[in-house]
Amino acid sequence: KQEVTQIPAALSVPEGENLVLNCSFTDSAIYNLQWFRQDPGKGLTSLLLIQSSQREQTSGRLNASLDKSSGRSTLYIAASQPGDSATYLCAVRPDSGAGSYQLTFGKGTKLSVIP
Amino acid sequence: EAGVAQSPRYKIIEKRQSVAFWCNPISGHATLYWYQQILGQGPKLLIQFQNNGVVDDSQLPKDRFSAERLKGVDSTLKIQPAKLEDSAVYLCASSLARYSGNTIYFGEGSWLTVV
Repeated sequence: KQEVTQIPAALSVPEGENLVLNCSFTDSAIYNLQWFRQDPGKGLTSLLLIQSSQREQTSGRLNASLDKSSGRSTLYIAASQPGDSATYLCAVRPDSGAGSYQLTFGKGTKLSVIP
Repeated sequence: EAGVAQSPRYKIIEKRQSVAFWCNPISGHATLYWYQQILGQGPKLLIQFQNNGVVDDSQLPKDRFSAERLKGVDSTLKIQPAKLEDSAVYLCASSLARYSGNTIYFGEGSWLTVV
């Protein structure tokens, strides 16, 4: 059974700092990995999707890397801003061929960026 | 492009009562998902539809939960009778197709409190 762990559970940083969020998964047979952002009282917004054959994806100040063999992914946020404050979740999709798109989520990292 | 629409956004009911949530996916998205997110946890898949057929409902508590997607567009998730532990956010999501690497898009969720 796939398990996804995110460390730390919460993180507080001053504005302008670069930071890294970590995600690890127990089963390396994944189809892709996705990073989401969740604001309080809101749904999930997809940030980056990395296919299993890719090593990283970039969007603006965000960079996500994937090391499938070691079961790890990182989300790097450059020059953090107060607007980045949210909970960040990673989720993996199994490489099960005909299986369902059953994403397995971590519990998330709650990020607070202090002005 | 309109996002995934859900209603109602908030609902408070007493245990043993029933409740229904509605979802309208992004136009053209064949795959629709219902996820349950308990406070402090990552979302958990309840049911996945491909057009109007069920692909995966292995984690749906079928003694009290039911879902349908008539005509392959809108979907309704029903809980009857509700239990205290059903208090959660119910997230609807959609994607273009099941086997693609497409991003999955989430609605803002329906927040259920059972008292």
